[in-house]
Amino acid sequence: DGGITQSPKYLFRKEGQNVTLSCEQNLNHDAMYWYRQDPGQGLRLIYYSQIVNDFQKGDIAEGYSVSREKKESFPLTVTSAQKNPTAFYLCASSTPSTGSRPNQPQHFGDGTRLSIL
Amino acid sequence: AQSVAQPEDQVNVAEGNPLTVKCTYSVSGNPYLFWYVQYPNRGLQFLLKYITGDNLVKGSYGFEAEFNKSQTSFHLKKPSALVSDSALYFCAVGSSYKLIFGSGTRLLVRP
Repeated sequence: DGGITQSPKYLFRKEGQNVTLSCEQNLNHDAMYWYRQDPGQGLRLIYYSQIVNDFQKGDIAEGYSVSREKKESFPLTVTSAQKNPTAFYLCASSTPSTGSRPNQPQHFGDGTRLSIL
Repeated sequence: AQSVAQPEDQVNVAEGNPLTVKCTYSVSGNPYLFWYVQYPNRGLQFLLKYITGDNLVKGSYGFEAEFNKSQTSFHLKKPSALVSDSALYFCAVGSSYKLIFGSGTRLLVRP
C-alpha cells in the first residue's frame, strides 16, 4: 500500500542536541510538508518542498532545518536553537497543484511525538 | 491574508442525531477549502474538498460540507452521527502553495 512513513513514533531530545525526524513516501508525490501540532493550536507549517532540491520556509521555520535530496524523502532536523521543541510533528505530501493555490489533498503520516529529557 | 476559523472547540451530539461542525473563511478570490479528521495519535485524514461547482460537497464516511459564499462558511455535516465519528476535525484553506488550518473542533458523539 502507498503511504507516508514517519519514524520514530516517539523521540526524546537532550538539551543542546540536534535530532532528525524521518519522513518517507511512496506515493510519487512531488510536494512534501512538515507541520508542528500543539494542543489547541491546530497545525503550523514549518517547511515545505514542491520539488527535489528545493524547499521553502513556512510560518515557524526558526530552529528547524530540512533537506530534499530525493523525491521520496524529506527529513526534518530539530536543532538545539529550537527552545521549545516538545510537540507532535506531522509530515505530509501531495501531487502538484495547478496554479499557486493548493487544490490537491495532502496525505499525512502518523506523526512523531518529540519530548525533552 | 487568508484564514479559517473554527468557532467551536468542542461539539457534543448524541448517536443517530445530525451533526454540524462549523468553519468560516477569509480569502481573496475563490476559496479552495478542505476538511480533515484526526484520530488520537494519528495523522490527518482527508474527508472532502471544495474547489468549484456544487455548493454541497460529498466526502468520505458519509460526511458532506455546504459551501456558502455569502456567509463565507464551509460547515461539515453528517445526517446521522456514529460514536466512531468522535475525533478532531480541521478545516483548511489553500493559499500560496500551502494549506492554512483552523484550530480544530473536537467532536464527541455519545451513545
